[in-house]
Formats: sequence, C-alpha cells, structure tokens
Amino acid sequence: EADIYQTPRYLVIGTGKKITLECSQTMGHDKMYWYQQDPGMELHLIHYSYGVNSTEKGDLSSESTVSRIRTEHFPLTLESARPSHTSQYLCASSDEDPASGNTIYFGEGSWLTVV
Amino acid sequence: GNSVTQMEGPVTLSEEAFLTINCTYTATGYPSLFWYVQYPGEGLQLLLKATKADDKGSNKGFEATYRKETTSFHLEKGSVQVSDSAVYFCALFTSGIFGNEKLTFGTGTRLTIIP
Repeated sequence: EADIYQTPRYLVIGTGKKITLECSQTMGHDKMYWYQQDPGMELHLIHYSYGVNSTEKGDLSSESTVSRIRTEHFPLTLESARPSHTSQYLCASSDEDPASGNTIYFGEGSWLTVV
Repeated sequence: GNSVTQMEGPVTLSEEAFLTINCTYTATGYPSLFWYVQYPGEGLQLLLKATKADDKGSNKGFEATYRKETTSFHLEKGSVQVSDSAVYFCALFTSGIFGNEKLTFGTGTRLTIIP
C-alpha cells in the first residue's frame, strides 16, 4: 500500500484567495507529480519533479506553482484562485525500480472549489 | 509522442457479466503498461501492470496482457460485481534518456454494474 497523503481533501474558497495543496510521501521516492482531473475525468499532468530543487511544467499549462525543498514534500500553490481553478488535483510519486515497472502511486486527491 | 486510446464509456453491465475494456497505445521505446481504478470520491489506485511484452497483469479477478504486436492492453474480468463500479484508466510509462519519465493516461472508462 502506498503512503502518499494529500491535504485538504475538500476545500471551498473565495476568488482571489491564496491556497496551498499539500502532498507528502513517506516512501523516499525522488519523482513526484501533480495531475489535474477535469469533470470529464481526463487527467492532465501539470507539474513534476525529479528530486529536491527540481520542478518542471507538465503537459497542461497551469497558473499554479510547485516547490520541492524536501524529498517527501511537494506542495502546489495558487496565488490567486479563480473559478476556473475548480477541479480535482491528484498528487503522485514513483519509485525507480525497473523490476517494478516504475509504478506511480497516487494520493486520494484534493477537491478544490473556487466560488 | 506517447498516447493511449481507451474504450469510451459509460459501460453498463449486469452483475456476473463478462467485462472487456479496450486499450491501445502508441509509444516510443518499451513502455510499462498499467490499469488504474478510481472509485467515487477517491484518488487513483493501481489495479494491475505489465512491464514487458506478453506479461499478464492480474489482480482482484481482473487481467490484462501486454500485446506488443497489436499495441494493446485490454482489461478483462470474467464475472463483474457491483463493487467493481468505478472509472478505469489505462496508462503507459516510458523512461526518458534525460529523466523525462511520465505517465500518459487514457481518457477513462466509467463502469456501472447493476444487480
């Protein structure tokens, strides 16, 4: 069972507020990811990291930012939330063992609603 | 680039029916293939995986075989239960020379099992 945690699980905030979605994993994985899931279920990679001090933009452009100061922690921040940011955000991490097929493990997700 | 084409849903079956969800892929190199499941209100859980051609992944009665010749990884289960109702995602993972590994998802198939 994977040990990757996201907080908050559910959040409703007003437009213009700053929000940070937390993601932590206790597996010692170097690689971490943020996906955004739209109401139609499709998953889009918005950020990823190969390790401490490494962050990259994903396939889908996002106004959010991420940081990776510690291996176990990969928070995502929206400086000024807008209704268009309403979505589910999924954090993930992966091991690097080829024998395991580089499995990616997901947290339970953070449902963000901006009103 | 990499892509995953997944059978469109929604799919509705009666309990104990046979299930197939088709998945085909396009990838450079030799990807690992995965099926993830998402239950209502939750994140993604790894259902099964296969890391090389002809491998069969299996879990909870679900099976999928990595077919390189047809670039497919179809999900099957012989007798579905109401508890199998969820959204199923096919995905592939490739390793990059400069560490640009990432998971590419299909669009998801919503499965509903009726008693």
